[in-house]
Amino acid sequence: KQEVTQIPAALSVPEGENLVLNCSFTDSAIYNLQWFRQDPGKGLTSLLLIQSSQREQTSGRLNASLDKSSGRSTLYIAASQPGDSATYLCAVRRRGAQKLVFGQGTRLTINP
Amino acid sequence: EAGVAQSPRYKIIEKRQSVAFWCNPISGHATLYWYQQILGQGPKLLIQFQNNGVVDDSQLPKDRFSAERLKGVDSTLKIQPAKLEDSAVYLCASSFPGSDTQYFGPGTRLTVL
Repeated sequence: KQEVTQIPAALSVPEGENLVLNCSFTDSAIYNLQWFRQDPGKGLTSLLLIQSSQREQTSGRLNASLDKSSGRSTLYIAASQPGDSATYLCAVRRRGAQKLVFGQGTRLTINP
Repeated sequence: EAGVAQSPRYKIIEKRQSVAFWCNPISGHATLYWYQQILGQGPKLLIQFQNNGVVDDSQLPKDRFSAERLKGVDSTLKIQPAKLEDSAVYLCASSFPGSDTQYFGPGTRLTVL
């Protein structure tokens, strides 16, 4: 059974810092991994998707990496801004299924 | 393009009562998902539909939860009777079949007293 873990559960940093969020998964037979953002009272928004054959994906100030053999992914946020404050969730999709298995999320606060 | 619509946004009920949630997916999306997100946890898939057929309901507590997707468009999720541990946000998502991208609605926050 796939299990996804995110550490830390919460993180607070001053504006302008670069930061890394971590995600680990137990079963390396994944199809892809996604990072989502969730704002209070709103649904999830997909930020980055990495296919199992890829090592990283970038979008603006965000960079996500994937090491399938070690069961790890990181989300790097450069030059953090108060608007980046949200909960960040990673989710993995198994081969042959569309079901996503989510981690518990990291609640990020960027202090002005 | 209109997003995934859900109603109600909030619901408070007492335990042992019944409740129903409604979801309208993005037009043309044949695949529809219901997730349960308990406070402090990630979403957990309850049921996945392809058109009006069930693809995966392995984590749906079938003794109290039911879902249907008549005509392959709108969907309803029902809980009867509700328990305290059902307090959560219920998220609906939709996608094209086989697509990597799921579009999420704003969710329904259920509080069971």
